Amino acid sequence: NAGVTQTPKFQVLKTGQSMTLQCAQDMNHNSMYWYRQDPGMGLRLIYYSASEGTTDKGEVPNGYNVSRLNKREFSLRLESAAPSQTSVYFCASSEVLTGGYYGYTFGSGTRLTVV
Amino acid sequence: KQEVTQIPAALSVPEGENLVLNCSFTDSAIYNLQWFRQDPGKGLTSLLLIQSSQREQTSGRLNASLDKSSGRSTLYIAASQPGDSATYLCAVDSDRGSTLGRLYFGRGTQLTVWP
Repeated sequence: NAGVTQTPKFQVLKTGQSMTLQCAQDMNHNSMYWYRQDPGMGLRLIYYSASEGTTDKGEVPNGYNVSRLNKREFSLRLESAAPSQTSVYFCASSEVLTGGYYGYTFGSGTRLTVV
Repeated sequence: KQEVTQIPAALSVPEGENLVLNCSFTDSAIYNLQWFRQDPGKGLTSLLLIQSSQREQTSGRLNASLDKSSGRSTLYIAASQPGDSATYLCAVDSDRGSTLGRLYFGRGTQLTVWP
């Protein structure tokens, strides 16, 4: 099925370890996003990419880096994980629909625990 | 900075009731407003999208209204069912230049419909 695929679904890291969260979409969308969701909180934007080759910071970019490898893939890297980065991470992509507004598709999330 | 608030935070009702979920936002310069559903451990599913020029959208038993000038939206669920149990998230799409396409989320309303 067409959509946004995130890997891994679950991950436990030790403080200071690094890892990359992978995201791929097969809908030919231009824009892609990384959000984090903490308990009792709404989703907050970490980074986004309006098109291949461009990335911009969102609300909470500190401690993260991103790569828009190609139009399909947008990865999120934690260079030195901290317990404050324990969260559920969602990748999303969007397309411009009739009328100029954006239609979003979200992945199922990566649940990350940093101990 | 756009702030999105959802009331109530949680709601528990018997099957068959008509429900109203509320969303407010601080900056009326939005491009559109979306309501999402999130099931436990899952990603987000878009329910309704209202463009800033529209007043309401309907899909089945769901009706969403938008009063942009007052910064408010309501999601009306008719004849609620146990299958409606989920967290409902409101998100606004800023229309300020380069932030177009970024979503600002509320914390959600956790709905439980019991038989």
